[in-house]
Amino acid sequence: AQSVAQPEDQVNVAEGNPLTVKCTYSVSGNPYLFWYVQYPNRGLQFLLKYITGDNLVKGSYGFEAEFNKSQTSFHLKKPSALVSDSALYFCAVRDDTGGFKTIFGAGTRLFVKA
Amino acid sequence: GAVVSQHPSRVICKSGTSVKIECRSLDFQATTMFWYRQFPKQSLMLMATSNEGSKATYEQGVEKDKFLINHASLTLSTLTVTSAHPEDSSFYICSAVVPGQGIGGYTFGSGTRLTVV
Repeated sequence: AQSVAQPEDQVNVAEGNPLTVKCTYSVSGNPYLFWYVQYPNRGLQFLLKYITGDNLVKGSYGFEAEFNKSQTSFHLKKPSALVSDSALYFCAVRDDTGGFKTIFGAGTRLFVKA
Repeated sequence: GAVVSQHPSRVICKSGTSVKIECRSLDFQATTMFWYRQFPKQSLMLMATSNEGSKATYEQGVEKDKFLINHASLTLSTLTVTSAHPEDSSFYICSAVVPGQGIGGYTFGSGTRLTVV
């Protein structure tokens, strides 16, 4: 069965500092991994995905994520945080068996302090 | 880009009444849509997968007679919460598979905040 773990409920970082939001996963086959961001009372916005290829994936708004197969991790990173990055971030996984079903992590609230 | 329009954004209804939430794909045909429920400070829980022209596939523990899903056209899926009760109050979000965007081509609606009083 597929599962996603986001071990931190909240991450606090000062503006201008690098940020990392952690995610680990478990799937039967090869993983398809995603990061989404959610602002209050809104739907989810796609940030980036890993399907295959380079382990470092670059996405929207300066975010990137690194796929680590041995550690089954897909941590979200940004070199320099902005106050406007404060939001709820979800990691999600799907396996490569052909279905569309996507499992979401519990979410991590990022708070960037000015 | 692909847009999914979800309405209403907020709805308050009385206990015992039914509420319909619409999810429309505006510039593409969505053969598959998903309905999620999100509790405060929690993740998205997949309720069901909606396929155009066929019955929805519900996740374990989701009452199909309470949460009626209809996907009668390639651009519209609806979720009807029947005989709503306060415990049904939640944030409901739809998403659609966008054709031609490869793996992960999902677009989400903006969500519906349902409050049952």
